[in-house]
Amino acid sequence: QQQVKQSPQSLIVQKGGISIINCAYENTAFDYFPWYQQFPGKGPALLIAIRPDVSEKKEGRFTISFNKSAKQFSLHIMDSQPGDSATYFCAAPSGAGSYQLTFGKGTKLSVIP
Amino acid sequence: DGGITQSPKYLFRKEGQNVTLSCEQNLNHDAMYWYRQDPGQGLRLIYYSQIVNDFQKGDIAEGYSVSREKKESFPLTVTSAQKNPTAFYLCASTARGTGRLNTEAFFGQGTRLTVV
Repeated sequence: QQQVKQSPQSLIVQKGGISIINCAYENTAFDYFPWYQQFPGKGPALLIAIRPDVSEKKEGRFTISFNKSAKQFSLHIMDSQPGDSATYFCAAPSGAGSYQLTFGKGTKLSVIP
Repeated sequence: DGGITQSPKYLFRKEGQNVTLSCEQNLNHDAMYWYRQDPGQGLRLIYYSQIVNDFQKGDIAEGYSVSREKKESFPLTVTSAQKNPTAFYLCASTARGTGRLNTEAFFGQGTRLTVV
């Protein structure tokens, strides 16, 4: 089964700083790598995702960087704001053609004023 | 608006009791999932279903049961065999396909189950 290793488990960043969360995966037969954002008491929601044929994707203050050779992808939050305080999950399909998503264990981000 | 509705939001279960969590979607998605979330454990897959009348066990299926009689509905029963059921339960759905289609999961707002 696909393993997805996410780090760090928790992160404290000052307002205006850069938050960086990393994710490592095993299976190379994936065609889409998403990040989810979850606020307390709510379900996760898709934040941003990248295809493996590009090395970077940017949406506003959120950027995914993808390193295919290292089997890693990371989420960068520029100019972090207190409203970004949430838990972030990376995910990957559990196998080629599989409908299962395997999630990382999550990173709890706290942005302090 | 399209989405996933879970009910109830909070649920209390007595020892030895079975309880059923509801999940309904109007996104016309083929695949539906149940996840359990505990602090520090991320999202763990309980069951998933790709089509009506078919479902598969996930990583932690023991003590749970599901049915998929309609495309829109995927209820989860937490049985008395589940010894530690207190958790936050999330239902999700994805469309059939590859790439974004089957990795963009839409989640409900969750049900918090507590054993009393």
